[in-house]
Amino acid sequence: EVQLVQSGAEVKKPGESLEISCQGSAYSFTSYFIAWVRQMPGKGLEWVGIIYPADSNTRYSPSFQGQVTISADKSRNTAYLRWNSLTASDTAMYYCARQYNFDTGSFGYWGQGTLVTVSS
Amino acid sequence: AIQLTQSPSSLSAPVGDRVTITCRASQGIRITLAWYQQKPGKAPKLLIYDASSLESGVPSRFSGSGSGTDFTLTISSLQPEDFATYYCQQFNSYPYTFGQGTKLEIK
Repeated sequence: EVQLVQSGAEVKKPGESLEISCQGSAYSFTSYFIAWVRQMPGKGLEWVGIIYPADSNTRYSPSFQGQVTISADKSRNTAYLRWNSLTASDTAMYYCARQYNFDTGSFGYWGQGTLVTVSS
Repeated sequence: AIQLTQSPSSLSAPVGDRVTITCRASQGIRITLAWYQQKPGKAPKLLIYDASSLESGVPSRFSGSGSGTDFTLTISSLQPEDFATYYCQQFNSYPYTFGQGTKLEIK
């Protein structure tokens, strides 16, 4: 069974750095795109960006370009989302999601979410 | 970026009703559209991909249609477990984008 398991909830202060993770299992990790999606409290889904783990080719939404970094470690079957300097507006639930199949950009497998809280 | 506009933003309907949610793209996206269901505190769940293909295990009362700029998600007979928020998402071009969501509530 395909699974994406995300790292646990984080509480950070403004200005701190953070990296959250998403580990895939029961499939060929390098063969499918993984995306990150933000959901701010009480709000809708926002597409952050995407990575192809085979070559680490990455694309970002303009809203998030330069604010976060997406990476992947093939040896660990894990994708990451990193901030160098958090702000209160980064407080949200972050989901990773895997491409459903080779022929579609829809996302059929989702992690359980990582809640990031940034507060002084 | 391609904008997706869902309507209505919220909807109240009784069990058994037929419900339609629409998603309009700011430019043509062929059939590169998916629909998701999200319940409170849970990750989104894929319902429909490629505009009209039903994800495995999703009840047949859900259906999707459309191409180009106009798409619909239809629930033929609402069940209690269908009350949730629904999102469309395009994957025609980067950045992929979501609609703002449609909250479906019990009447």
